[in-house]
Amino acid sequence: GAGVSQSPSNKVTEKGKDVELRCDPISGHTALYWYRQSLGQGLEFLIYFQGNSAPDKSGLPSDRFSAERTGGSVSTLTIQRTQQEDSAVYLCASSLPDREASIQYFGAGTRLSVL
Amino acid sequence: AQSVTQLGSHVSVSEGALVLLRCNYSSSVPPYLFWYVQYPNQGLQLLLKYTTGATLVKGINGFEAEFKKSETSFHLTKPSAHMSDAAEYFCAVSVGGGYNKLIFGAGTRLAVHP
Repeated sequence: GAGVSQSPSNKVTEKGKDVELRCDPISGHTALYWYRQSLGQGLEFLIYFQGNSAPDKSGLPSDRFSAERTGGSVSTLTIQRTQQEDSAVYLCASSLPDREASIQYFGAGTRLSVL
Repeated sequence: AQSVTQLGSHVSVSEGALVLLRCNYSSSVPPYLFWYVQYPNQGLQLLLKYTTGATLVKGINGFEAEFKKSETSFHLTKPSAHMSDAAEYFCAVSVGGGYNKLIFGAGTRLAVHP
């Protein structure tokens, strides 16, 4: 596709359930980032992938959060045993082979609501 | 450690008036600075970025920003606001270290009224 695609666009789940959020980056973009946007915390970095490896996972808030990337393309962010404080918009971004000022292209996000 | 402060969570201007959105940064290394815009229910879109060289950076939709090292600022301006500029604007600094991990400010919501 032409841009970064995220699915689902909205997800409502019950507290304690697991959820998977998907990101399809722009073709050829080897760098991929996950961010979280919430009312209380603003925009926060979660994890960075270069290819299939994640050299920076420092933003993952707890061990309930994990992410993987396969084939240097699609990434999945998994939240286990969801809590109400996980409610937020999860944004994915991708960029060309890595430089510090590479432009990140963002998807529209997945809005997660934990009831 | 890098950080970004955006002064004013809400800014309201009249159509045709000057837009000024303030951003101050803290960085232990020469910073790479960005302004992103977010329209409702959409992802972030890059307006402009500063890396090195010319300190006045021009971006899309008539926006520009000036990097002032002495003031650690990177304010965003537009000479004449348009209704379509109503959105949320984020200033960000790159952490560095060989990749583009962004630290964002809290955002400024711009309202444009007739």
